[in-house]
Amino acid sequence: NAGVTQTPKFQVLKTGQSMTLQCAQDMNHNSMYWYRQDPGMGLRLIYYSASEGTTDKGEVPNGYNVSRLNKREFSLRLESAAPSQTSVYFCASRTRAGRLETQYFGPGTRLLVL
Amino acid sequence: DQQVKQNSPSLSVQEGRISILNCDYTNSMFDYFLWYKKYPAEGPTFLISISSIKDKNEDGRFTVFLNKSAKHLSLHIVPSQPGDSAVYFCAANNFDKLVFGAGTILRVKS
Repeated sequence: NAGVTQTPKFQVLKTGQSMTLQCAQDMNHNSMYWYRQDPGMGLRLIYYSASEGTTDKGEVPNGYNVSRLNKREFSLRLESAAPSQTSVYFCASRTRAGRLETQYFGPGTRLLVL
Repeated sequence: DQQVKQNSPSLSVQEGRISILNCDYTNSMFDYFLWYKKYPAEGPTFLISISSIKDKNEDGRFTVFLNKSAKHLSLHIVPSQPGDSAVYFCAANNFDKLVFGAGTILRVKS
């Protein structure tokens, strides 16, 4: 049981290049999320998927696209990377049990856009 | 406009003493609050939560207090240990999503 996994761990891109960040969870969770973390800004939601087949914008969706490939996998794509997208990206999945609710996070992808 | 605010960027505490981390929110519709802990180069991990129908929740050395009228919650760690040194994020549940504060860096000195 690996929880939430993310690939790659680290990536350097040049401005204008594209890439896809991969995320997978093995906990049979319905909801999955992509966040970015920047200094002094906390975690900001980029996109989320409440269930397989649905995706919705979060707080900072511009410059990103997502695909919920199946229940396990949720990918984040940068079509034309910009220096402002230099950040640490976290994927998370969510469970709900009664009134308890929490999200489980992956280890993160550090992205540097030059 | 930040709906969840952690106004102290950092906090330094002596080992064995109490650590108090604070969080304020503006949206009265938030019904559930969580604290996450994050070590460098790792993802955040869930620490403790509280429903808006309660004013206190305790789990070992960690206690979260909620003051709904003041829209304020706090995390108490007693006694603090060097391994508690990390970034602590406050989060509020907003339907399908969590809204996070900017985080507070806690340093526990031995």
